[in-house]
Amino acid sequence: AQRVTQPEKLLSVFKGAPVELKCNYSYSGSPELFWYVQYSRQRLQLLLRHISRESIKGFTADLNKGETSFHLKKPFAQEEDSAMYYCALAETSGSRLTFGEGTQLTVNP
Amino acid sequence: GAVVSQHPSWVICKSGTSVKIECRSLDFQATTMFWYRQFPKQSLMLMATSNEGSKATYEQGVEKDKFLINHASLTLSTLTVTSAHPEDSSFYICSAGDAYEQYFGPGTRLTVT
Repeated sequence: AQRVTQPEKLLSVFKGAPVELKCNYSYSGSPELFWYVQYSRQRLQLLLRHISRESIKGFTADLNKGETSFHLKKPFAQEEDSAMYYCALAETSGSRLTFGEGTQLTVNP
Repeated sequence: GAVVSQHPSWVICKSGTSVKIECRSLDFQATTMFWYRQFPKQSLMLMATSNEGSKATYEQGVEKDKFLINHASLTLSTLTVTSAHPEDSSFYICSAGDAYEQYFGPGTRLTVT
């Protein structure tokens, strides 16, 4: 069975500090990994996906198959980054998503 | 990007009544839509996969007779909560997408009194 774990429910950093949101997964095959973000009073939206290998809003995430991790990182956090972040896994593109528990990131001024 | 809408955005109903929630893909066609449930301060839990023109696929533990899903067209899926009870109160979210991305609706807040 597939599973996504985000060990930190809450994460608080100061503006300008580096931030890392952890995500570990368990899946027998080669899944697709995603990070979704939900800003206050807004719908869930895709932040980035591992196969794109791109940086969105300064965030990057590298898939580490050996450690089965997909941690989200940003070198300098901004106040507008405060949101709920969900790591998610899909077996294939377009298939059902399994979400982690989410991490509430707060960036303090 | 593509837009997914839900209606209503919130609904209050009495225990024992049924409530229908609509999920629409506004500018694209979706052969598959997904329905999630989210409890306060918790993650999204997949309830079922809605397939256009065929029966929905329910996740383990989700009562298909209680949560009726109909996907009659390529732009509309409906979730009907039948004989609702207070424990069904939750935030229901749908998504639709393509091979690249899932687009999420804004959610429907259901409160059963």
